[in-house]
Amino acid sequence: ETGVTQSPTHLIKTRGQQVTLRCSSQSGHNTVSWYQQALGQGPQFIFQYYREEENGRGNFPPRFSGLQFPNYSSELNVNALELDDSALYLCASSLESGFLSGGYTFGSGTRLTVV
Amino acid sequence: AQKITQTQPGMFVQEKEAVTLDCTYDTSDPSYGLFWYKQPSSGEMIFLIYQGSYDQQNATEGRYSLNFQKARKSANLVISASQLGDSAMYFCAMRSLAGANNLFFGTGTRLTVIP
Repeated sequence: ETGVTQSPTHLIKTRGQQVTLRCSSQSGHNTVSWYQQALGQGPQFIFQYYREEENGRGNFPPRFSGLQFPNYSSELNVNALELDDSALYLCASSLESGFLSGGYTFGSGTRLTVV
Repeated sequence: AQKITQTQPGMFVQEKEAVTLDCTYDTSDPSYGLFWYKQPSSGEMIFLIYQGSYDQQNATEGRYSLNFQKARKSANLVISASQLGDSAMYFCAMRSLAGANNLFFGTGTRLTVIP
């Protein structure tokens, strides 16, 4: 079975630009979550999608938006990039949203640098 | 609100020795899960071990065991017989059934295994 795949692996953008990050979830997983990990910090929850609907959001502004497609893959869009958006963006898929003991499968992340 | 605290920014251990990585948590939810993840330099978060709040026994997975003390709200990770490949960042995380069931992460501990 395939794991979680994220693209691109690295990205450099200019302040004010827009970026789209992509994630293919693990086969059979219907829930995708996105996390932002700044240098030297633990990941911070951005939002989660369950069966194509947003199912919760962390403390991130509206310029962070997302989509989930019928095949459960997902996109993270960030508008009006700021320097502080530079981070590793991790995508994680899981079997069900409400499955407490279900672990997440993480991708290797997209490292975004905003200059 | 959930909070995870990891007070050890860095730890060193001799190869083949055991090491304990500390994690304390705070939550008002009656039902929650505790996770440990390993993050090598590649960036991917690798699931190690899970402990449910109602589990009577401490979780074990191969060389990993979780020392769960519910009254003290601690969930320390014990790695036995350390190997050079264990050198990485280690994150403690918590998940509850409230909200979007997302993971709350600590700030991590960098473990270095010395030959």
